[in-house]
Amino acid sequence: EAQVTQNPRYLITVTGKKLTVTCSQNMNHEYMSWYRQDPGLGLRQIYYSMNVEVTDKGDVPEGYKVSRKEKRNFPLILESPSPNQTSLYFCASSLIAGYEQFFGPGTRLTVL
Amino acid sequence: DQQVKQNSPSLSVQEGRISILNCDYTNSMFDYFLWYKKYPAEGPTFLISISSIKDKNEDGRFTVFLNKSAKHLSLHIVPSQPGDSAVYFCAASDRGSGNTGKLIFGQGTTLQVKP
Repeated sequence: EAQVTQNPRYLITVTGKKLTVTCSQNMNHEYMSWYRQDPGLGLRQIYYSMNVEVTDKGDVPEGYKVSRKEKRNFPLILESPSPNQTSLYFCASSLIAGYEQFFGPGTRLTVL
Repeated sequence: DQQVKQNSPSLSVQEGRISILNCDYTNSMFDYFLWYKKYPAEGPTFLISISSIKDKNEDGRFTVFLNKSAKHLSLHIVPSQPGDSAVYFCAASDRGSGNTGKLIFGQGTTLQVKP
């Protein structure tokens, strides 16, 4: 089944404790992206990747890092999480940039 | 600055009637528009899209209309079904030069279809 998977689905952590949210797609998509969803703001792009080893900042990149060492994986790294990073996070992929994106199920992160 | 706006946070319609969800945008460089549906505890699911060279696109019960001069698009669902109850997001993209693939999302509209 074609899909985007994210882990974990739910995470509660404390300020400053490094964490990684994994994202994987099995559709051989070139383009991958991370979004966060906050009430009243819709989804905002954090980082994106046009292809392997090519990543760039989206609209809200502060406090986040990403890597794209393999085509299928695009982990989101929070080196020192803070409470304002409490949010619902979605990973997405598309065949190439600019086309329909397929979303993962989401990761709800709470930073205390 | 919100480049894509959905001014109605919620909409309630009766089963079998038409649902019309609206979306406005400000950036004239947007040339591709999409609608996504989102159920609780799931990721957004792609519904339908339209290119700026068209003014209408249909897929079954779903039709998207684009009015470029007004910078407005709408999603029509006919007939509405209780299973359509979800949050609907419109999104826009600039696929021109410097295409980053970024989708700019509206805030979402919660649709409730009553049996």
